[in-house]
Formats: sequence, structure tokens, C-alpha cells
Amino acid sequence: NAGVTQTPKFHILKTGQSMTLQCAQDMNHGYMSWYRQDPGMGLRLIYYSAAAGTTDKEVPNGYNVSRLNTEDFPLRLVSAAPSQTSVYLCASSLQQGDTQYFGPGTRLTVL
Amino acid sequence: DAKTTQPTSMDCAEGRAANLPCNHSTISGNEYVYWYRQIHSQGPQYIIHGLKNNETNEMASLIITEDRKSSTLILPHATLRDTAVYYCIVVANAGKSTFGDGTTLTVKP
Repeated sequence: NAGVTQTPKFHILKTGQSMTLQCAQDMNHGYMSWYRQDPGMGLRLIYYSAAAGTTDKEVPNGYNVSRLNTEDFPLRLVSAAPSQTSVYLCASSLQQGDTQYFGPGTRLTVL
Repeated sequence: DAKTTQPTSMDCAEGRAANLPCNHSTISGNEYVYWYRQIHSQGPQYIIHGLKNNETNEMASLIITEDRKSSTLILPHATLRDTAVYYCIVVANAGKSTFGDGTTLTVKP
């Protein structure tokens, strides 16, 4: 099993541009989530999905997600802002509240 | 979900046991204590979790006090590769995970 994979590893965006961060898992996990991690800080939950076809957000606008199938949970930055410069971490677990498995992260810089 | 309090940083000598404390005084009866660690520039990695009994696996031991208001993660023989940020979180069954800033453990030769 590859576990949780994320692409790209690094990316630089200009303010106002849009981008989709990819996340996939091959463990047949129902629950997937996105966190952002600012330098020297802990993880902050952005969006989560309890199952394919459902999503819930934790933070205000600026992000969109979709969960069309069990495996993939892409995160879209609609119109990037410098405040969205961060490391984005994707995680999955069998169900909400269970042990989470994290991807390696995407380091995003918005200029 | 209950919040946790951890020291900002700790040092440990290589080969010695590392004891990382966590306070979760407002924990509810259905909340588990989870520990993860994050080595620099990697995603967090699960270590261990427990409800009220002490737990041990190949990585670490978890000691939870009888009143469940605090816990200690023990790495029995710390190595340089154990240098990381350690997160203690409490999670309700089917609940969301809230990560704090964790404890930065530095293992020194």
C-alpha cells in the first residue's frame, strides 16, 4: 500500500491564482481530512469528509473540496492569498475519530 | 473535544527514557488520548492511543492516570531519530482531532 499520497510536494502561486492540491489514499478509508500547518505551529483542520459524497468545512472561505470517490480528496484554493502560504497535510482514517494516517504534505507559497 | 497542555520543549540524552507529559483535565469519558509525532518536514505519524488503561507497543508506552486528567508518553530508549514534535490530542469516538503546538523533543548524544 502507498498509504496517503499528496502532490505536488512544493508549489509557488501568485495572488489571485487558483490551484488544486491532490490527495489520495489506497486503504479504503472512509474519513479524510485536510489540515494546514503554519511555521512553528500545530495543525489546523480545514475540511473533512466522513464518506464519499459528503464534506464539511472548519474554516471560512478560500478553500473548496470534493469527495467524488473513496480514494481522492482534492483541496482547491479558489483565489490564492498570501495568508494561505502554509504546509497542507492530508490525512485519512477508517472513520472519524480513528487513528489518522498522514501524507507527506504540500508546501505552498503564495506571493 | 477536550484541549491538551504540553510543555513547549524537552531534552533527553540518547539511550535514556524520554517521558513526555500531557495534561487533559477536561477529558470526557468517551474521549481517547492519542499521541502522534512529526519529524521535521514530514507528515505526523501515529504512535499510540488509549482510553483508560496503560498501553504499550513497539514504539512507546502510554501511561494514563486513574482520573484520566493527564498522561505520559514514554520512549524507553530514545535515539537521535526520535527528535521530533510530539502531539498529544484527545478525540471522542467519531470526533474531530484538534492538534495543539505539541512538545519539541530533542534527543542529544
